[in-house]
Amino acid sequence: AQSVSQHNHHVILSEAASLELGCNYSYGGTVNLFWYVQYPGQHLQLLLKYFSGDPLVKGIKGFEAEFIKSKFSFNLRKPSVQWSDTAEYFCAVNFNYGGSQGNLIFGKGTKLSVKP
Amino acid sequence: DTGVSQNPRHKITKRGQNVTFRCDPISEHNRLYWYRQTLGQGPEFLTYFQNEAQLEKSRLLSDRFSAERPKGSFSTLEIQRTEQGDSAMYLCASSLVVGAGANVLTFGAGSRLTVL
Repeated sequence: AQSVSQHNHHVILSEAASLELGCNYSYGGTVNLFWYVQYPGQHLQLLLKYFSGDPLVKGIKGFEAEFIKSKFSFNLRKPSVQWSDTAEYFCAVNFNYGGSQGNLIFGKGTKLSVKP
Repeated sequence: DTGVSQNPRHKITKRGQNVTFRCDPISEHNRLYWYRQTLGQGPEFLTYFQNEAQLEKSRLLSDRFSAERPKGSFSTLEIQRTEQGDSAMYLCASSLVVGAGANVLTFGAGSRLTVL
């Protein structure tokens, strides 16, 4: 079965530190890739997405992610985090079968705590 | 605000009772998804509709769960004979998919179910 793995359950950083959150998926075919963020008390929001083209995608609030097909990975990065980045981050994958896009499969999430 | 709307936001019920959640998607969206999220986990797919047709159901969706989208607009998720293990946040999302185009889900704030 298809699966999405996020390696870090909880990451604690100080402001201005660099961030990298890992995400791997199990399927070897065509995929669409997403990172969603959930700020405390708020609903899931799209941070960035990859469908095709340049494997380095930029999202909101200075986040970026790189799709490495050979490693089945889509890691999220930010060069300098802020206290306001404290949130839970979810990697999600849409596995495509013959052009049909079904449901979105999520990882378990990584909680990011940024110390001021 | 023309986002995804879910009601009620919080439902407390006794074990064995039936509950129903409602989701109003973004009006022009043709797909509607239901997910369940428990503490420390990512959203888990339950089912999705394209217009009024229910196209996929997860094994998580036991016989006690039923979802409908009768006119291809709002959807309801009913849980019969609730159990304590049903306690979770039930998330609704919608998207607009045309052919093999991009499928980007927009989530609602969720309906939290507590079963006593």
